[in-house]
Amino acid sequence: DTGVSQDPRHKITKRGQNVTFRCDPISEHNRLYWYRQTLGQGPEFLTYFQNEAQLEKSRLLSDRFSAERPKGSFSTLEIQRTEQGDSAMYLCASSSPPTDTQYFGPGTRLTVL
Amino acid sequence: AQTVTQSQPEMSVQEAETVTLSCTYDTSESDYYLFWYKQPPSRQMILVIRQEAYKQQNATENRFSVNFQKAAKSFSLKISDSQLGDAAMYFCAYRSARYSGGSNYKLTFGKGTLLTVNP
Repeated sequence: DTGVSQDPRHKITKRGQNVTFRCDPISEHNRLYWYRQTLGQGPEFLTYFQNEAQLEKSRLLSDRFSAERPKGSFSTLEIQRTEQGDSAMYLCASSSPPTDTQYFGPGTRLTVL
Repeated sequence: AQTVTQSQPEMSVQEAETVTLSCTYDTSESDYYLFWYKQPPSRQMILVIRQEAYKQQNATENRFSVNFQKAAKSFSLKISDSQLGDAAMYFCAYRSARYSGGSNYKLTFGKGTLLTVNP
């Protein structure tokens, strides 16, 4: 069990560019979550997958954001036409029954210039 | 919608002393889970302790224990014998236990309490 991993750990981009982040959950976990954390705030829920199905999306997830989990294993979060307001830490977590306790990855810190 | 409030933005404690971090929440549900997570500087979020609302007994994990007051919707974290490694941001989080669609799995977090441990 290697824990949840995220790549890259840091991303600096210019406004208007597209970025993609990857999350690899704990191998036996069938549920995967994305959260966004801005400075001085707690994480906010973005979206959730059960296996490959995206079962919920927050209203925070504008149409510039898209997430996939094509084979029910790793997931990607893409942000198109980035804005300065997208600058944040993007956290991934995974869980499995019966407890569904969520275990978090180290996060990807996005800076939009 | 559920909300979680942590009224102490910052707390400090002397090494080896005890500190209590406060958390209140608002929900109309009767069945849910509560969590405390720790986020050290530039490091990932770690689960500290978990409490099921249907259990009256307060959860304990080594030096960490909670005081769960369901009627008051209060969930405080007590850290005993504080250590330098306990310095971190602590987040209280809520999760519904109601199984309908996907929304029950998301965590709702408070804004966090920054704990400083003084040697």
